[in-house]
Amino acid sequence: AQKVTQAQTEISVVEKEDVTLDCVYETRDTTYYLFWYKQPPSGELVFLIRRNSFDEQNEISGRYSWNFQKSTSSFNFTITASQVVDSAVYFCALLSMDSNYQLIWGAGTKLIIKP
Amino acid sequence: NAGVTQTPKFRILKIGQSMTLQCTQDMNHNYMYWYRQDPGMGLKLIYYSVGAGITDKGEVPNGYNVSRSTTEDFPLRLELAAPSQTSVYFCASTSDRRVNTEAFFGQGTRLTVV
Repeated sequence: AQKVTQAQTEISVVEKEDVTLDCVYETRDTTYYLFWYKQPPSGELVFLIRRNSFDEQNEISGRYSWNFQKSTSSFNFTITASQVVDSAVYFCALLSMDSNYQLIWGAGTKLIIKP
Repeated sequence: NAGVTQTPKFRILKIGQSMTLQCTQDMNHNYMYWYRQDPGMGLKLIYYSVGAGITDKGEVPNGYNVSRSTTEDFPLRLELAAPSQTSVYFCASTSDRRVNTEAFFGQGTRLTVV
């Protein structure tokens, strides 16, 4: 069965600190896709990144970076030098080709950045 | 490209009323989904569709119905609204291109049943 676990329900840090959001996934499929979405207080879902299962390269985009490790089934998200505007709920999701493309979602991590 | 368009953005229903949440996408995606998000919670899958004419239940289908007569449209029907259906509803679509799968979301519909 596919599953996504975001064990951190809520994280609170002071502005400019680095913060890592954890995502652990379970799937028996060999081809799958992992996503991170941001949901700011306004409510919409903002796409951040997609990673294919056959591409384990880490990715950096400005202050955001992602660490994909198939050996530990993890796809962690780090924000460097956090800012108040980073405050949001962050969701990790799994899309599996062999399970009819059902998007499987983690419960989300609420990130609070204090000024 | 408009992407995924949901209407309405907000709606208040009385108990027992019915309504249809509209969702349309212009990316020729085969896969479409309806989710609900309760306050402080993650997304729960209501129904999904893998192509025109094909729909299937997700995790929380009770009280809802869907249809997929075209690739573009995937409306969600609430027949007898109940307070438990107060939630934010998201429609999404994904491509099935093996190399470049994307997932796109509508802006959400905030539904209150009173």
